[in-house]
Amino acid sequence: AQKVTQAQTEISVVEKEDVTLDCVYETRDTTYYLFWYKQPPSGELVFLIRRNSFDEQNEISGRYSWNFQKSTSSFNFTITASQVVDSAVYFCALRQFNKLSFGAGTTVTVRA
Amino acid sequence: DTEVTQTPKHLVMGMTNKKSLKCEQHMGHRAMYWYKQKAKKPPELMFVYSYEKLSINESVPSRFSPECPNSSLLNLHLHALQPEDSALYLCASSQVTPVTGSPYNEQFFGPGTRLTVL
Repeated sequence: AQKVTQAQTEISVVEKEDVTLDCVYETRDTTYYLFWYKQPPSGELVFLIRRNSFDEQNEISGRYSWNFQKSTSSFNFTITASQVVDSAVYFCALRQFNKLSFGAGTTVTVRA
Repeated sequence: DTEVTQTPKHLVMGMTNKKSLKCEQHMGHRAMYWYKQKAKKPPELMFVYSYEKLSINESVPSRFSPECPNSSLLNLHLHALQPEDSALYLCASSQVTPVTGSPYNEQFFGPGTRLTVL
């Protein structure tokens, strides 16, 4: 069975602080795909990144960075120098074939 | 065009009404999905269409009836809903990996329809 755990329910920071969101996954597959999505108050899920199980390179995109570690089954997400527009619910997800298993989500609130 | 559109944005209906939710994408994706999301919960998969054929039904009650008239459109027909069916309904689409027929690529989501059942 597949499972994604996001242990942090809510995180509140002041603007310009860094925020790290934890994601731990469980799967028996040797090939799998991990994703992060952002859901702002408007409701739309915005795709942020996909990571394949055979590619352990970390990635940086602007103020966003991701740390993928197969040894600990973790795929953590860091927002550097947070901004108010980063306030949203962030979901980590694991994909097997055409099914996405989402974590419970972490609500990030960035205060001005 | 990397957009998935959904109509209507909001819908209020009585338990005896019949209504439909619509989803459209023009990215050439051949897999389309319906999700249901309750407040403060992650999305839950309801249906998956692959090449316009229903490939997954996650034991959804028959009062929800999906339809995929062509590769760009996905409908969700609603009939005799219950108040507990009130939720955000999200549509998504993705590419399908040609060789295996299983979509490994990222799903793109629409803005959702907020449904209230009275």
